Amino acid sequence: LAKTTQPISMDSYEGQEVNITCSHNNIATNDYITWYQQFPSQGPRFIIQGYKTKVTNEVASLFIPADRKSSTLSLPRVSLSDTAVYYCLHWGGSSYKLIFGSGTRLLVRP
Amino acid sequence: DAGVIQSPRHEVTEMGQEVTLRCKPISGHDYLFWYRQTMMRGLELLIYFNNNVPIDDSGMPEDRFSAKMPNASFSTLKIQPSEPRDSAVYFCASSGTPGSNEQFFGPGTRLTVL
Repeated sequence: LAKTTQPISMDSYEGQEVNITCSHNNIATNDYITWYQQFPSQGPRFIIQGYKTKVTNEVASLFIPADRKSSTLSLPRVSLSDTAVYYCLHWGGSSYKLIFGSGTRLLVRP
Repeated sequence: DAGVIQSPRHEVTEMGQEVTLRCKPISGHDYLFWYRQTMMRGLELLIYFNNNVPIDDSGMPEDRFSAKMPNASFSTLKIQPSEPRDSAVYFCASSGTPGSNEQFFGPGTRLTVL
């Protein structure tokens, strides 16, 4: 059974680097791992996606180990505006269902 | 482009009534997704379409839920009859890149069934 887990919440301070890990034990072989950000009363917003190793864009980095059973979203130097809920997304392997993680609520303090 | 458009933004109805949620995807996007979000269950995929054809509706809770996509620019999610447990935020999202999980979400419809 595909299971995707994330920490429920994380606290950080402005300027720090934040790493959020998602465990996905049954990911589809040829599918991207994707991360979304959601603010209250808004729909999720795409941040980054990758297939393996490391991907970096202007807002985040994504680290994926060789076995692809987990992924880590890295937010460099967070600011107060990064306070949000972060979700990982992937297609589950055997059932091939689109699965959102349960979300990690990040609180950035001054 | 205006992004994914959903209407209404808020809907309050009484148990037993029919509810219709509407979505206009981003022009040119071939994939359309309907999600439900609740505190208890998080984000759940209900159904998705590719080129107006339903591909996977296994997430639709029960026969009271139905979704249609009569053309590339419009989709509806209907609940008939509605029940209080259907209260949630319903999101529509569209995607234009096969194989990518980059989806563009609408603002959602907050449904309250009394």
